[in-house]
Order: sequence, then structure tokens, then C-alpha cells
Amino acid sequence: AQKITQTQPGMFVQEKEAVTLDCTYDTSDPSYGLFWYKQPSSGEMIFLIYQGSYDQQNATEGRYSLNFQKARKSANLVISASQLGDSAMYFCAMREVNDYKLSFGAGTTVTVRA
Amino acid sequence: DTAVSQTPKYLVTQMGNDKSIKCEQNLGHDTMYWYKQDSKKFLKIMFSYNNKELIINETVPNRFSPKSPDKAHLNLHINSLELGDSAVYFCASSQEWGGTSPSRGYTFGSGTRLTVV
Repeated sequence: AQKITQTQPGMFVQEKEAVTLDCTYDTSDPSYGLFWYKQPSSGEMIFLIYQGSYDQQNATEGRYSLNFQKARKSANLVISASQLGDSAMYFCAMREVNDYKLSFGAGTTVTVRA
Repeated sequence: DTAVSQTPKYLVTQMGNDKSIKCEQNLGHDTMYWYKQDSKKFLKIMFSYNNKELIINETVPNRFSPKSPDKAHLNLHINSLELGDSAVYFCASSQEWGGTSPSRGYTFGSGTRLTVV
């Protein structure tokens, strides 16, 4: 069964605007971590932000924030003030406490327009 | 000072050949992984080693054989390469679990683009 679902294959956003990337997850573990990674056209995987299942507050890292709604099992990424360099593929991923691996969603391609 | 380094970055080879991809991490992490990213960009775990012990072995053809000589290295050897093996292979490493919360220390290498012709 798919553990991570990203329903938006591609999105366009105007420069300087905010964009929200959707991510829902499925787990029965009470302890887990949620991650977002950026993959630009150069191919490397860049860690953006992390949210632990027991964290009380939503994670923020600079222009990235994670809208964590535990009851709905969603972990949406918000990128504020989009820049041209934000054009990339974005992956949501989850790691459960009883597992070592990261399970990834299918990714969302973001294209920032000038 | 690269944290997780993979070599080679690009690998073009003919069907039927045997090839290896090497990975090294200098982060002191105990666990290392191989992920495969297919043409649709989907990332899937292949193998994981923890302190040189195999702990994850997903449904991967036995032509793929990981080897971990020590906890800082995890190599991937592929026998009898097929066209369908063409993909980007990522090595990654992570810390052990910290208490009851998953570690956030998950670091990827820059990937190896394998093309089988």
C-alpha cells in the first residue's frame, strides 16, 4: 500500500508568490518522521525540512514551512516568496520508528515563472 | 569534505556487462542505503546495511549484490546488466534512532546515472 501520496504531479507558481505542495501519509506507528526533499534538474537530493510526529509545532526552515495536520495525516510543504531557483521536483517522505528506510511519494514538479 | 560520495557519477555500459558503484560516507552514520530512481522519478529502497549487516533487502533481482566492507562504505555490484537497470542510483546514510523519535539525519549522495545500451 502506498504510504506517501502526492496528488499534484506539476504546479506553476509566479515568482514571489507562495505555493503549497500536498502530501498525505499512511501509518499506524505512533512515532514517525516526515521529510521534504528538493531535487533540482542537476539531480541531487536536498533535504529541506523535517517534522517529527510528536513535535507540537509546525516545522519551519527559512522560506519553507510544514503544515502538519496529524489527525488528517497530512504534511503539506509551503514555500513562501518563490524564487526562480525553487523550480525543481519536491518529494515528501516518511520514516516510521520500526523501519529504517524512507518511503517516498511520487513527487511534485514546481515551475516558478518570472 | 563531501558527506556521502558516490562514484562514478555517470556510467554507460552494454547489456550483459558487470559493473559496480561505490559509496562512502564520512558522517559516522551506522546505516547506509541504496535507492533506485526510475525514469518516472520514483524513488524506491533497494538495500540497507546497519553496521555492515544487511537489514533491508527489497524485492530486487539477485543480479544486484550490495557489499559493505565497513560501516563507512556500501558498494553495489550489478551482474549481467539489462536495459531495465537504467536508472539513477542513490546512496544514502542515516543515524541510528534517537530515543523514540526517528532521526532526521538522512543524507544522500549525488547519484549515479546508469545507462545500459
